[in-house]
Amino acid sequence: IAGITQAPTSQILAAGRRMTLRCTQDMRHNAMYWYRQDLGLGLRLIHYSNTAGTTGKGEVPDGYSVSRANTDDFPLTLASAVPSQTSVYFCASSEGLAGGPDTQYFGPGTRLTVL
Amino acid sequence: GQNIDQPTEMTATEGAIVQINCTYQTSGFNGLFWYQQHAGEAPTFLSYNVLDGLEEKGRFSSFLSRSKGYSYLLLKELQMKDSASYLCAVTDSNYQLIWGAGTKLIIKP
Repeated sequence: IAGITQAPTSQILAAGRRMTLRCTQDMRHNAMYWYRQDLGLGLRLIHYSNTAGTTGKGEVPDGYSVSRANTDDFPLTLASAVPSQTSVYFCASSEGLAGGPDTQYFGPGTRLTVL
Repeated sequence: GQNIDQPTEMTATEGAIVQINCTYQTSGFNGLFWYQQHAGEAPTFLSYNVLDGLEEKGRFSSFLSRSKGYSYLLLKELQMKDSASYLCAVTDSNYQLIWGAGTKLIIKP
């Protein structure tokens, strides 16, 4: 059982380019999340999804979009990358709905550098 | 605004006990989580508290006082592998999970 996989592991991107970070889970969890983690700051929620076909905005959604076409996949797209989007991005999932008492399981992260 | 405070860094000795504190000011409260994150890795779940009191799980215990907006994570019989960051996170009244910046714990032999 893989749990949650993310791709790529790391990426260097020129400003203005479009980039999609991939996330796949094999636990049949309902909710999925995208976070960014920056030095000295807590994890910040970008977007989340409680079920296929629905998505919601988190704390820092600007510049990012997501889709949830099925239960397993939750890609994050940066339409036009900017240097302030340099960060480590974590995908996570939980069995229950976002905000509930369920444990969140995290993927290994994607380290993104925008130059 | 919403805020979660944790010490930035702590140092402890192998075999000792350490307490990592977390205070929170959030719009409502619906539970508190502790996660462990080793450098360069993903966070992993340690504990969940929603009622006041102490939850014990092996060498790790977590305490919650909702009236004081306070929690701590207690690690006993410290091992070198416990060197990691410890993240406190609170679910607010809108069921949003608010994360602290984490406490980096350094274990010395």
